[in-house]
Amino acid sequence: AQSVAQPEDQVNVAEGNPLTVKCTYSVSGNPYLFWYVQYPNRGLQFLLKYITGDNLVKGSYGFEAEFNKSQTSFHLKKPSALVSDSALYFCAVRDEGEYGNKLVFGAGTILRVKS
Amino acid sequence: DADVTQTPRNRITKTGKRIMLECSQTKGHDRMYWYRQDPGLGLRLIYYSFDVKDINKGEISDGYSVSRQAQAKFSLSLESAIPNQTALYFCATSDLASKETQYFGPGTRLLVL
Repeated sequence: AQSVAQPEDQVNVAEGNPLTVKCTYSVSGNPYLFWYVQYPNRGLQFLLKYITGDNLVKGSYGFEAEFNKSQTSFHLKKPSALVSDSALYFCAVRDEGEYGNKLVFGAGTILRVKS
Repeated sequence: DADVTQTPRNRITKTGKRIMLECSQTKGHDRMYWYRQDPGLGLRLIYYSFDVKDINKGEISDGYSVSRQAQAKFSLSLESAIPNQTALYFCATSDLASKETQYFGPGTRLLVL
């Protein structure tokens, strides 16, 4: 079965510093990988995805993610963190089924950006 | 995403009661999903539906049932609620054109006493 792991429950970073939120995956076949963000009392919002092509994927709000096949990783990055980036971040992978596909989510990583 | 709505947004109920959570979407997507979110566990899939006549069990379907009344509506029922069903419930939608990207509703916070 397809799975993703987010090894850090929480990441703390100072405003203006670069941030990285880690995700590793385990899939058979070619991975479809996603990042979502959840702000307090809100639903999940799509940030970006990797399907094929360039290993560096750019998404919403200045976020990007780097797909690394040899390390089976898909880390989320941002060059300069904002306090407003503080939220819960989920990595997800497509799970192919006989009748259609669904997403499998990681446990989530809390990002705290301090001013 | 305002195109995916969930009602109610908050609900308190008692053990043994039947409760229904509703999801509606105006995105025109054919695929709909129900997840529950628990701290430290991420999102777990309860049921999903790829069109009106299609219903599939997800990872944690026991104690839940669903109904796909129309392409735009997907309801989740707890036949006899129990306290460990206290959670945040999300509905999501997608279609082939979105290439697996799912769009989420705002969530329903359920407390079972």
